[in-house]
Amino acid sequence: QVRLVQSGAEVKKPGASVKVSCKLSGNTLSETSMHWVRQAPGKGLEWMGGSDPEDAKTIYAQKFQGRVTMTEDTSTDTAYMELSGLRSEDTAVYYCVADDGYCSGGSCFYYLDVWGKGTTVTVSS
Amino acid sequence: DIQMTQSPATLSASVGDRVTITCRATQSISRYLNWYQQKPGKVPKLLIHTASSLQSGVPSRFSGGGSGTDFTLTISSLELEDCATYYCQQSYTTPWTFGQGTKVEIK
Repeated sequence: QVRLVQSGAEVKKPGASVKVSCKLSGNTLSETSMHWVRQAPGKGLEWMGGSDPEDAKTIYAQKFQGRVTMTEDTSTDTAYMELSGLRSEDTAVYYCVADDGYCSGGSCFYYLDVWGKGTTVTVSS
Repeated sequence: DIQMTQSPATLSASVGDRVTITCRATQSISRYLNWYQQKPGKVPKLLIHTASSLQSGVPSRFSGGGSGTDFTLTISSLELEDCATYYCQQSYTTPWTFGQGTKVEIK
């Protein structure tokens, strides 16, 4: 059974960076495509980026380009998301998510299957 | 980017009611559409993938339909535990995008 365990809550000042970790168990990172989704207080879900399941390249949402870096340590099956230049609008719960999918009739379908419990990042002066 | 629009934003219904949520994409996404349920204070949970495939363990009162640009999530007989916010999400192309959510309340 795949499980994702995320690092603990963070409080950062504006302009700082935060790095959130996500340890995978029940599978290996080399077999899994990981994504990061965030949710600001009282708001909806926002996909930040992740590993494209088709070619394993890391893709970032344009909104976060230049500020976010997603990396993986396959020796420890741990994924990381680092967000720099923090501002108050970055206050949110950050989820790592493992996708799953299947191929049928020449098409491959993917979905966000297993979610971590989330890491609360608070940006405040 | 593909925009996903859900309606209604909020829905209030009684236990036992049939409830339908709509999700519309700004371009055709075939059947690359997934639905998630998020209960208050909880982690989102996958309900339906590929427009109409029920995720293992999800009650059969949930069903999904549609293809192209228009999709639906239906709860055939609303139960108290279905009080939650529901999100659609497209995986047709990156960036993957979510609808803004539909909050289902019990009258």
